[in-house]
Amino acid sequence: SQQGEEDPQALSIQEGENATMNCSYKTSINNLQWYRQNSGRGLVHLILIRSNEREKHSGRLRVTLDTSKKSSSLLITASRAADTASYFCATFPTSGTYKYIFGTGTRLKVLA
Amino acid sequence: SQTIHQWPATLVQPVGSPLSLECTVEGTSNPNLYWYRQAAGRGLQLLFYSVGIGQISSEVPQNLSASRPQDRQFILSSKKLLLSDSGFYLCAWQGAGSFGYEQYFGPGTRLTVT
Repeated sequence: SQQGEEDPQALSIQEGENATMNCSYKTSINNLQWYRQNSGRGLVHLILIRSNEREKHSGRLRVTLDTSKKSSSLLITASRAADTASYFCATFPTSGTYKYIFGTGTRLKVLA
Repeated sequence: SQTIHQWPATLVQPVGSPLSLECTVEGTSNPNLYWYRQAAGRGLQLLFYSVGIGQISSEVPQNLSASRPQDRQFILSSKKLLLSDSGFYLCAWQGAGSFGYEQYFGPGTRLTVT
């Protein structure tokens, strides 16, 4: 099963509102990354947060990481219709394997 | 700048037919390469990854195989497709020696097995 589990599975908000989505994981990680996927397209890397970091910002994105709770959150502020997409977290475990583990994603819909 | 290509964009194949999907990367050398499959509305399942020419690691037992005949070329194949092979196939690359950092994805191939 996928290590990363996003919550909620789907989210619908009005333009201008903030969107928050969460990711939980099970094993120790080296880092956690968030990706965006527009419908029928490839994934686009948004932000990477290392295990020794607690918060990171990039434009309207804010990511937090709580390694004690094995969880992360992605906040998109002042959302726009163009933010409509699926958002995935991906963890890179410390177990020595070379694979990322992707969650099942949160489908965000921003209504104009 | 680096670019990743995948083709074809869409493919409809009958059960039992062979498959060949190609991925090429431009603008970088010795990338780590990945093949993922995404079922409708689901996350990504890692199928194969490669750290160099001729080197393939398989993550999931299945009727698919991968090859890396050239540094920046990654091919996903099957001798006989199953209905369960339907999905969205994504190729990704990552800078050499940078495991654990961001991956860059291609546009994907949507495969429908009928």
